[in-house]
Amino acid sequence: EIVMTQSPATLSVSPGERATLSCRASQSLNSNLAWYQQKPGQAPRLLIYGASTRATGIPARFSGSGSGTEFTLTISSLQSEDFAVYYCQQYNHWPPGTFGQGTKLEIK
Amino acid sequence: EVQLVESGGGVVQPGGSLRLSCAASGFTFDDYAMHWVRQAPGKGLEWVSLINWNGGTTYYADSVKGRFTISRDNSKNSLFLQMNSLRVEDTALYYCVKDIGSSGWSPFDYWGQGTLVAVSS
Repeated sequence: EIVMTQSPATLSVSPGERATLSCRASQSLNSNLAWYQQKPGQAPRLLIYGASTRATGIPARFSGSGSGTEFTLTISSLQSEDFAVYYCQQYNHWPPGTFGQGTKLEIK
Repeated sequence: EVQLVESGGGVVQPGGSLRLSCAASGFTFDDYAMHWVRQAPGKGLEWVSLINWNGGTTYYADSVKGRFTISRDNSKNSLFLQMNSLRVEDTALYYCVKDIGSSGWSPFDYWGQGTLVAVSS
């Protein structure tokens, strides 16, 4: 089973600054990686798939990069609504579609 | 507008059973694979099960294999999860999730709000 490791577990950033979240896979995923955002009390929302393609309606300040085993989600200028938990998920090796443990992005 | 509405959660004793349902609308249900994903209180996301567009292919997480059964009724735009031999560790919010594609080997583009399953004596 693929193991997905996200870092850091918690990231403290000030509004307006850039946030960089990392996700590492135990085996190559090609570009079959997605990022989700989850706010308290809400269901997750798809942000990025194919490692770098923004989902419908996702603002351009969200960008994804990487391939193989190393991936990054960058939020270029943090807005108040961006503080949430972010999960990466691999869908290259099914089953299962493994999620990372999440990175909590909090206000500094 | 895509809507996924789960129901059927509740409190059950260890060893008991529950049947979760998900009513889908706003898209052509039988064009897409569907999943169940769960989230234990204060924890991360765990994929539980997948069913392809016509119900002909199903997959399960090892943690639920042999105890849970996923099914769908395309005539009623509905997804189900039969949960037997429930354990305390099955306690979680269960999400009904739509796949981007038909076979299920894809990301998840829509999620329901979840139904809570609590297994406790």
